Amino acid sequence: GAGVSQSPSNKVTEKGKDVELRCDPISGHTALYWYRQSLGQGLEFLIYFQGNSAPDKSGLPSDRFSAERTGGSVSTLTIQRTQQEDSAVYLCASSLLGTPTGELFFGEGSRLTVL
Amino acid sequence: AQSVTQPDIHITVSEGASLELRCNYSYGATPYLFWYVQSPGQGLQLLLKYFSGDTLVQGIKGFEAEFKRSQSSFNLRKPSVHWSDAAEYFCAVGGNRDDKIIFGKGTRLHILP
Repeated sequence: GAGVSQSPSNKVTEKGKDVELRCDPISGHTALYWYRQSLGQGLEFLIYFQGNSAPDKSGLPSDRFSAERTGGSVSTLTIQRTQQEDSAVYLCASSLLGTPTGELFFGEGSRLTVL
Repeated sequence: AQSVTQPDIHITVSEGASLELRCNYSYGATPYLFWYVQSPGQGLQLLLKYFSGDTLVQGIKGFEAEFKRSQSSFNLRKPSVHWSDAAEYFCAVGGNRDDKIIFGKGTRLHILP
C-alpha cells in the first residue's frame, strides 16, 4: 500500500488477555518503530527495528511486551496479560535508513482499551 | 540516551498572534531535530527538520525553527497563527542517520478567535 497500515484500528479486550497489533510499513522502508501514545505522555518510544541489526528494545515497559518483524517487513507487537494501564494508542512508523531525510511515516494507530 | 523536553503542555494564543513553542533536547553528539504536528483526528505530519547547515529552518504551513546548540534548543515559531493551527505539536531528536528518534510529550496549541 501507499502508506503505513495498522490493524486492528480499535481493540477492546479484558484484563489478562493477550493482544496482537500488526503494522505493515511502506514498501522498501528498512526502519520500523513502535510508539505508544497516551494522554499526557506524548509519544513513548517502545522498540526500533533497524534493517538487519538487532532491534533496540530499550523502550519496552515490561516483559509482557514483545515485538517481531518478519522478513524485514510486517511487524507484530504483542502484549501479554494486558493491564488497564496498557490502554493507549499504539503507533507504528517507518522510514528509510541511511538517508538524511529522517522523516517518519506514521500509521493511523491501533487504539487499545483494556477493561 | 537522548531525550526531549517540551516545557509547555498547553499554550493558548489569539488568531493572528505570533507563536513560539519551546523544545530542549539532550544528545551527546550533533542532533537531528524534528517538529511534527498532530491535528485532531489526524495522523502525525512532519513540519520541518534540522540536520546541519543553516540553523534557521523553514517548514510547511509557514512554520520555522531555530537550532541553538549553546542552549540545546530547537524552538518552533510562526509569525501569525491561524485557527487551523490548533493541534498538538511534538519535538523529536535523533542522532546519526540510523539512531532512534525520541519524541517529547507534546504541546497542545489552542487558538482564540
